[in-house]
Amino acid sequence: SQQGEEDPQALSIQEGENATMNCSYKTSINNLQWYRQNSGRGLVHLILIRSNEREKHSGRLRVTLDTSKKSSSLLITASRAADTASYFCATDKAAGNKLTFGGGTRVLVKP
Amino acid sequence: KAGVTQTPRYLIKTRGQQVTLSCSPISGHRSVSWYQQTPGQGLQFLFEYFSETQRNKGNFPGRFSGRQFSNSRSEMNVSTLELGDSALYLCASSFTTSATDTQYFGPGTRLTVL
Repeated sequence: SQQGEEDPQALSIQEGENATMNCSYKTSINNLQWYRQNSGRGLVHLILIRSNEREKHSGRLRVTLDTSKKSSSLLITASRAADTASYFCATDKAAGNKLTFGGGTRVLVKP
Repeated sequence: KAGVTQTPRYLIKTRGQQVTLSCSPISGHRSVSWYQQTPGQGLQFLFEYFSETQRNKGNFPGRFSGRQFSNSRSEMNVSTLELGDSALYLCASSFTTSATDTQYFGPGTRLTVL
């Protein structure tokens, strides 16, 4: 079963616009991570935010985490056509590398 | 440094057969995890190995098994294949089993069961 639910399921924007997607989860977590997947390929790690952090930046990515609401958001600023992909949030709860993924948001960036 | 490699990339099998998938982690990585991705169930954790020991297991039937060798390479095996086993199987490697260690994913093996 999936821990996270992502919203929206799909997003279509113009190049240069910002893309925001949200992830909600059900149980307490240690960390939350965001991954990108291009067209049924492997996942690429984007960013990790710990449960005691509220916001993190990496290049054009901004991630927030609200543990009281059990939710996170990923913002991609100044989107490019190359950002077209599916984006997944993943949480871990216990020790070890077991990640529980959300359903993903499909992002289409139109040139 | 070479990334995670998975072989084969594509596989077609028929119901009832068995299949073995292989994953070679990034050099120096000792932890390997396996995930199944389907349109209906999304990404689901199968199992995790570290130093040849299974450390975590997901909610999959016993038909799904795996192992890890002393060089950290890992294999997963699915016996008595069912149509529902058609999926993209992804493996990921990391240095340790720490949850803050970045997991690097391979390109996946796409299994089709006819």
